[in-house]
Amino acid sequence: TQLLEQSPQFLSIQEGENLTVYCNSSSVFSSLQWYRQEPGEGPVLLVTVVTGGEVKKLKRLTFQFGDARKDSSLHITAAQPGDTGLYLCAGEEDNDMRFGAGTRLTVKP
Amino acid sequence: KAGVTQTPRYLIKTRGQQVTLSCSPISGHRSVSWYQQTPGQGLQFLFEYFSETQRNKGNFPGRFSGRQFSNSRSEMNVSTLELGDSALYLCASSILPGLNEQFFGPGTRLTVL
Repeated sequence: TQLLEQSPQFLSIQEGENLTVYCNSSSVFSSLQWYRQEPGEGPVLLVTVVTGGEVKKLKRLTFQFGDARKDSSLHITAAQPGDTGLYLCAGEEDNDMRFGAGTRLTVKP
Repeated sequence: KAGVTQTPRYLIKTRGQQVTLSCSPISGHRSVSWYQQTPGQGLQFLFEYFSETQRNKGNFPGRFSGRQFSNSRSEMNVSTLELGDSALYLCASSILPGLNEQFFGPGTRLTVL
């Protein structure tokens, strides 16, 4: 069973649209990270959130950590083809990093 | 500064064989973690090494083992390969263990026939 559930699994949208992907768990995490992985490459860290309710912005990407530190969301505004990739969330629990299965995003021009 | 390198990039083996994968971390990084990535299970943590010592181990059978050398380079070994071991094996390095920024290598794609 996946400790971190990500939804949706797949998302295909047109350039310029907005989207939100989710990362949910029944466990409380001391911190949570979001990564983006492109084909043929390893994941690249986008952001780390550590405080419940925290919101971080990275250009067109907005990350939110739930108040209870069990869930997180990633919102992309005006998506571009360069945003295409696999978005992974990862949480630290008992000194282990746990990853979700990811949301595969395709942004069509 | 050079990134994390993994060799080989692609590997094809048959059931019952063993395989050794190599990872060279970013210079100055002393922590190396290994992950298995499959379409169905996502990234699953295998083990983490820091200063030549295994710091954490995921829930994998004993056929999966690893080690770290004094120069922080790491290897992982899988013995008696099974079809289900086909996956992308990713190595990540960080300056310190635990929740620190991890830099991933491109991975080794292992196919077991």
